[in-house]
Amino acid sequence: DAMVIQNPRYQVTQFGKPVTLSCSQTLNHNVMYWYQQKSSQAPKLLFHYYDKDFNNEADTPDNFQSRRPNTSFCFLDIRSPGLGDAAMYLCATSTHSGGYNEQFFGPGTRLTVL
Amino acid sequence: SQQGEEDPQALSIQEGENATMNCSYKTSINNLQWYRQNSGRGLVHLILIRSNEREKHSGRLRVTLDTSKKSSSLLITASRAADTASYFCATDVAGSNYKLTFGKGTLLTVNP
Repeated sequence: DAMVIQNPRYQVTQFGKPVTLSCSQTLNHNVMYWYQQKSSQAPKLLFHYYDKDFNNEADTPDNFQSRRPNTSFCFLDIRSPGLGDAAMYLCATSTHSGGYNEQFFGPGTRLTVL
Repeated sequence: SQQGEEDPQALSIQEGENATMNCSYKTSINNLQWYRQNSGRGLVHLILIRSNEREKHSGRLRVTLDTSKKSSSLLITASRAADTASYFCATDVAGSNYKLTFGKGTLLTVNP
């Protein structure tokens, strides 16, 4: 089945220790998104790629970086995680054809910062 | 500022009852979407309604859109315990560059 996969599902890191979260998709969608979601809150968009074009949200901290080496994969790098970065990180994809742009989400990675 | 605001924040009903959730937004949209999120999981797309549509159905779901009031509602009929989840509206704002803006969500609890 076509899907969005996130690894790992749970990630524990130490304060200040870099961490990378990964996302892959078999949907061949041209747009990929990274969201941060804290408990009982709405997903907050960090950045997205349209093909190779990177679009950063104005309020995304510099501590968060992303890479998209090819259509299928996208990575979220947190250079120096702080306690406030503990959250669920959601990857999503979409294609923009025919005016329909629903997003397909992965299961998320729960990040704990010790 | 938050584009979509859901109302109520939390809703608890009995199995078999209908559940209605509302969403208000502030700017012109291309479409409005509803998503469901089970606890600790990713979001699942439920239904999309375009700005020129007023009502849409999908199984037990009914969505309405009133662009003059900048509001939408999601009705789940004959609810089941398995419908327990958070429900988010998301707006595709005109000129938003492929982004959706999510509301804060409604936590629906369906008691067996």
